Amino acid sequence: QKEVEQDPGPLSVPEGAIVSLNCTYSNSAFQYFMWYRQYSRKGPELLMYTYSSGNKEDGRFTAQVDKSSKYISLFIRDSQPSDSATYLCAMSSGRRALTFGSGTRLQVQP
Amino acid sequence: DSGVTQTPKHLITATGQRVTLRCSPRSGDLSVYWYQQSLDQGLQFLIQYYNGEERAKGNILERFSAQQFPDLHSELNLSSLELGDSALYFCASSVATSNGEQFFGPGTRLTVL
Repeated sequence: QKEVEQDPGPLSVPEGAIVSLNCTYSNSAFQYFMWYRQYSRKGPELLMYTYSSGNKEDGRFTAQVDKSSKYISLFIRDSQPSDSATYLCAMSSGRRALTFGSGTRLQVQP
Repeated sequence: DSGVTQTPKHLITATGQRVTLRCSPRSGDLSVYWYQQSLDQGLQFLIQYYNGEERAKGNILERFSAQQFPDLHSELNLSSLELGDSALYFCASSVATSNGEQFFGPGTRLTVL
C-alpha cells in the first residue's frame, strides 16, 4: 500500500463548478501538507501549504486537513478552463523529503 | 516563475552515455532536491542536499550521483544511461530542510535513444 493515495482521474467538470480533490495517507507522522498544480510537462507549482489540521483559504482555493481521518482535500470554486491541470498532493513529517500522491488530472470544460 | 532554474531544458543522448543536469535554487534557499518523473511512476524523490551536504536519499540508482557546490547550485550526474532513464528531472529548493515547502524548477526532459 502506498503511503499517499490519490485518485488519478481524469475528473471532468463544467466551467464554474466546485471541484473537490482528495488524498488519503497512512503515515501519522505527516504534519506538513501541500497541493501542487502541474501543467503538462511543466514544473509543479505550489498552490497551498498547510501545517497540521485545519482549513486554509486563498482566493478560489481552499485546503482542508483532517489528521484524525488522515484525509486532505483541495476545493476549487468557480473553476475555469485554465484550472485544467494535474493536481498533486504532497506531505512531509519534517524529517524526510516530500511524499507525493500520483496526481489527479482535472479537465474543466468551457 | 518559482525562481528555481534548470539547464538544459531538453537533452537527447544515447544509451551508455553520461549527462549532467544543473540546478540553481531560489535566492536564499539552502536545500536542493532532485526528483524524477516518468509517465508510469509519478514524482520520485532522488536525493536532497542542504548547504553542500547530502541530507536524504530516495530511490536514486547507483549510476546516478549529485552534489551541491559552495554557491549552492547543484548538479545531477546520470551515467551508463538506459532507455528507462528517459524522464523529466526536476529540481526543487526550500529555505529549510524540515518544513516541507518546496519550489520546483521547470525541469529537464531527458530522452535516451
